[in-house]
Amino acid sequence: EDKVVQSPLSLVVHEGDTVTLNCSYEVTNFRSLLWYKQEKKAPTFLFMLTSSGIEKKSGRLSSILDKKELFSILNITATQTGDSAIYLCAVVARNTPLVFGKGTRLSVIA
Amino acid sequence: GAGVSQTPSNKVTEKGKYVELRCDPISGHTALYWYRQSLGQGPEFLIYFQGTGAADDSGLPNDRFFAVRPEGSVSTLKIQRTERGDSAVYLCASSSGLRVGHEQFFGPGTRLTVL
Repeated sequence: EDKVVQSPLSLVVHEGDTVTLNCSYEVTNFRSLLWYKQEKKAPTFLFMLTSSGIEKKSGRLSSILDKKELFSILNITATQTGDSAIYLCAVVARNTPLVFGKGTRLSVIA
Repeated sequence: GAGVSQTPSNKVTEKGKYVELRCDPISGHTALYWYRQSLGQGPEFLIYFQGTGAADDSGLPNDRFFAVRPEGSVSTLKIQRTERGDSAVYLCASSSGLRVGHEQFFGPGTRLTVL
């Protein structure tokens, strides 16, 4: 059975801190890994990763995939209170829909 | 429309009743997905449409759950004889890609509460 495990499940940091969120997976016929940010109900897309070792960057957020060790990390530098959200990791295997982890709940306090 | 829309945003019903949840995807998106998210969990796949047909319904938990997309656009998720355990946020997503892994855009969800 395909599995996605995220850690930590929750995290509290102060504004300005840097955080690293982890996602490990076990799937058959891996195709891609996606990161989403969920603030209220609708998850919003952050990154899609398909190749190992290539960092994707968007502002203060960056992510990288390691297909040998079967994990990805999401980094957020200089955190702001607006970064508070649940960060979801999801994996796509061949011809299957997204399999999500439970998410990491990030709280950034001023 | 500009994004994926779902109605109603909240639905409260009694155990044993029938409910319908609607999803209006982004115009032109051929793929449509339904997920269910319980408190403290990530979204859990229910069913996926490519056009009008259900390409994968392996996530539907039992035969009380059914979904349709008759014209390849709007989809309706139908739940018969609701149970308290069906309470969750039901999310819909759409994508333009033919490949399943293409970026999915999510709607705001319908929060279903079964009393």
